[in-house]
Formats: sequence, C-alpha cells, structure tokens
Amino acid sequence: GQNIDQPTEMTATEGAIVQINCTYQTSGFNGLFWYQQHAGEAPTFLSYNVLDGLEEKGRFSSFLSRSKGYSYLLLKELQMKDSASYLCAAKDNYGQNFVFGPGTRLSVLP
Amino acid sequence: IAGITQAPTSQILAAGRRMTLRCTQDMRHNAMYWYRQDLGLGLRLIHYSNTAGTTGKGEVPDGYSVSRANTDDFPLTLASAVPSQTSVYFCASSDSGDTEAFFGQGTRLTVV
Repeated sequence: GQNIDQPTEMTATEGAIVQINCTYQTSGFNGLFWYQQHAGEAPTFLSYNVLDGLEEKGRFSSFLSRSKGYSYLLLKELQMKDSASYLCAAKDNYGQNFVFGPGTRLSVLP
Repeated sequence: IAGITQAPTSQILAAGRRMTLRCTQDMRHNAMYWYRQDLGLGLRLIHYSNTAGTTGKGEVPDGYSVSRANTDDFPLTLASAVPSQTSVYFCASSDSGDTEAFFGQGTRLTVV
C-alpha cells in the first residue's frame, strides 16, 4: 500500500528553526518532494531528494533516509510569511504518480 | 499562457448537473494529474495521464472521467455532480522522471 504520514499542525516562533517530519511507504520510490501551500493558493515546489542525505536551499533544507522511509524539512530563521501548509509527497515508480501526505500546517508566531 | 491554467476558478453547481473542469499547460509535460483537496485529507489523486492518449485511475476516481487527446489539455468531467464532490480541484503536470509537479491555481467547486 501507499501511505504518507506527517504531523497535522506545528507552531514555532519567528526567527527560530523548525523541523517537519514525514514518513512514507510507496510502491517503488522515485523521489521525495516537499511543497509549500499558503491558504487559498496552489502548492509550490520547495525541494526534492532521491538519494540519502541533506539538500540545502537557502533557509530551507530537506533530508532523506530511504532505508527508513523518512524525510524531514528544516526551516531556519523563520519568518511570518512561512506560515503555511507543508506537503510531503513521494513519487512512485509504477505510474510516476505523486502520493501526498495530509500536510502540516505551520503557524509562525511573533 | 504561462505554466498551467485551470478554468473556471470557482463554480457553484446544482446536484445532478454535468460539469467539465478545464486544464491546459504549455510546458509540453508528458504527465498530467487531477487532485482534489479536502480539509484534513490532503491532496488525493483522481485520475492521471502519463502521456497523450493514455489515462489511469487514481485513488478516488468514482464519479469522474478524463481524456487526454493532446499533450496540452487534460479536462476532468463530473457526469452527474453530487454534494460529496464539493472540493478544491487542482490540476498538475510534470515532465517524466524525477522532476517536480507544477500546479494550476485550483478550481473551487461547490455542489448544492
């Protein structure tokens, strides 16, 4: 079966660091993607991992462990505009489809 | 057109009516997808197409149909709308392989 799990909600303070975890089980594996979605808007791509390790893009980093079926998104120097939902998605080999988790709603407080 | 475009942006539809949601992309992506997003359930795949001329069923295909006559267009049809199809619908596309999906702006559909 296919299953993606991530926490429903998180709260953090402006300027802090937050880590959003994601565990996945998919039929085959062709990459782990993170998206940001502000309320009422479309998801936008943040990062991609297919090999184990850390990928860094400015204030955002994403980590993958394929053997553990685990990823996290790390957001540093949080800003108010980072308040959004963060979607974890795994791409399977079979249909080249993206399987999304329920999303983690992050609230950044002043 | 730049990227992926959906129409309409929002719609209120009477139950039992037929409705087609339109999706067009100009990136020449092979794969296209339709998702619905409901509170607490995240994005769920309705139908997909890996290339023009082929389609497949996703996680929640019942009550929906799609066609892929060419690379650019991927319309989603509700043959006879029901209130449980009230949702936000996102169309997306991606190139083959390990590339990300790009999303349209969404269609907010309310079935009454």
